[in-house]
Amino acid sequence: AQRVTQPEKLLSVFKGAPVELKCNYSYSGSPELFWYVQYSRQRLQLLLRHISRESIKGFTADLNKGETSFHLKKPFAQEEDSAMYYCALSPTSGSRLTFGEGTQLTVNP
Amino acid sequence: DTGVSQDPRHKITKRGQNVTFRCDPISEHNRLYWYRQTLGQGPEFLTYFQNEAQLEKSRLLSDRFSAERPKGSFSTLEIQRTEQGDSAMYLCASSSPGTSPYTFGSGTRLTVV
Repeated sequence: AQRVTQPEKLLSVFKGAPVELKCNYSYSGSPELFWYVQYSRQRLQLLLRHISRESIKGFTADLNKGETSFHLKKPFAQEEDSAMYYCALSPTSGSRLTFGEGTQLTVNP
Repeated sequence: DTGVSQDPRHKITKRGQNVTFRCDPISEHNRLYWYRQTLGQGPEFLTYFQNEAQLEKSRLLSDRFSAERPKGSFSTLEIQRTEQGDSAMYLCASSSPGTSPYTFGSGTRLTVV
C-alpha cells in the first residue's frame, strides 16, 4: 500500500526565514513524487515534481530514497508563499495520486 | 478558459436525494480523474478514465456512486441517496497520455443537510 505523511498540519515562519515542509512516503517501488499548492480561493496546482529537478518560485525538493522523504525547501520565505501544500505520490506516470493531509504554511511579515 | 471546468460550484441537497456533477477536462487530455476532499484532509482518489474506459475505482466509491464518461470527453459523477458523510469537495482533474501532472478543476462543494 502507498502512503504519504506530512507530519506538520500547520507551519508558521517569518518573512525571509528558511522554510522546510516535510513529506515522508511509503511505497515498495520507485514512485513519482509531487508537491501541489493551493493558494487561498484558488484551485490545486502543481508546484514541482521530483523528476524535473527544477526550482519553482524558489522552492526545491529532493527525493531521498533511503529515508523515503521528499521535503520541500525554500531558503527565504515570502508572504505570498502562504498557502496549503500537499505532497503526493504516483506509482506510475498518469496513475492515481495519493496525497498527504497537507501543511498550511503561513509566512508572517 | 481552457482549463478543467466543473459544474456546479456548490450544491446543497437534502439527505436521500440524488445529485450529479459534471466535469469538462482540457480537450486534448484523454485521462480524467475524480477525487474527494473533506475538511482537513488531502484529496482522496475515487476513479479515473482513459478516454471512455473507467480503468480504476477506489473502494471509497460505494454502490451509491457512479461515474461515466460516455464519449471520452466530459464526465459525470452521480451520488444516489446522499448521506451527510458525502458532504465534501469533489475535484476533477485531467492529464495528457503518459504524464502525471494533473490539471485540477475548482471543484464542486457538496453539502448534504
